Amino acid sequence: NAGVTQTPKFRILKIGQSMTLQCTQDMNHNYMYWYRQDPGMGLKLIYYSVGAGITDKGEVPNGYNVSRSTTEDFPLRLELAAPSQTSVYFCASRDGLAFTQYFGPGTRLTVL
Amino acid sequence: AQTVTQSQPEMSVQEAETVTLSCTYDTSENNYYLFWYKQPPSRQMILVIRQEAYKQQNATENRFSVNFQKAAKSFSLKISDSQLGDTAMYFCAFMIYGGSQGNLIFGKGTKLSVKP
Repeated sequence: NAGVTQTPKFRILKIGQSMTLQCTQDMNHNYMYWYRQDPGMGLKLIYYSVGAGITDKGEVPNGYNVSRSTTEDFPLRLELAAPSQTSVYFCASRDGLAFTQYFGPGTRLTVL
Repeated sequence: AQTVTQSQPEMSVQEAETVTLSCTYDTSENNYYLFWYKQPPSRQMILVIRQEAYKQQNATENRFSVNFQKAAKSFSLKISDSQLGDTAMYFCAFMIYGGSQGNLIFGKGTKLSVKP
């Protein structure tokens, strides 16, 4: 049981480039989340999904897009990367009837 | 606004001693859950302990316990018999129950160092 997996673990982007952060969970959870963690700060919600085909914005959605075509996958797309998007990105999931979120290992992204 | 405040950016404790990390939160909701997460240098987020707000009894998990004061909106974490492996960032968080999002709202964290 792998839980929540994220790829890549590390990435360096140039300003203006685009990329997709992958997130997959094998627990059949309907809720999935993307958070970002800036240095010295807690995690902030970027986007979330309550099930396949349903997504919505969180606290800091600007510069990102998501999709949820399957229960398992919840990719995060960065378009036109900016230095302000330098951060650690965490994907998480939970069952709709439970309240514990399970986190992936995170992706450290640097935009230069 | 829903916020979490951790007033101690850094703390240190000697191995085998006890330390308490503070957390206060603000929400107008009545139904929520509270959590403490540990983030070691590996940056993996690890659930330490959780508390249902409707329960008066404080949660315990081995060496970890909480002091939950609902009226004061306070949720402190006590670590007994501190071990070197407890060295990490600790985040306090809460989640509104029954809301459409169900996301976690985090504090800025407390960096705990356990010294030999």
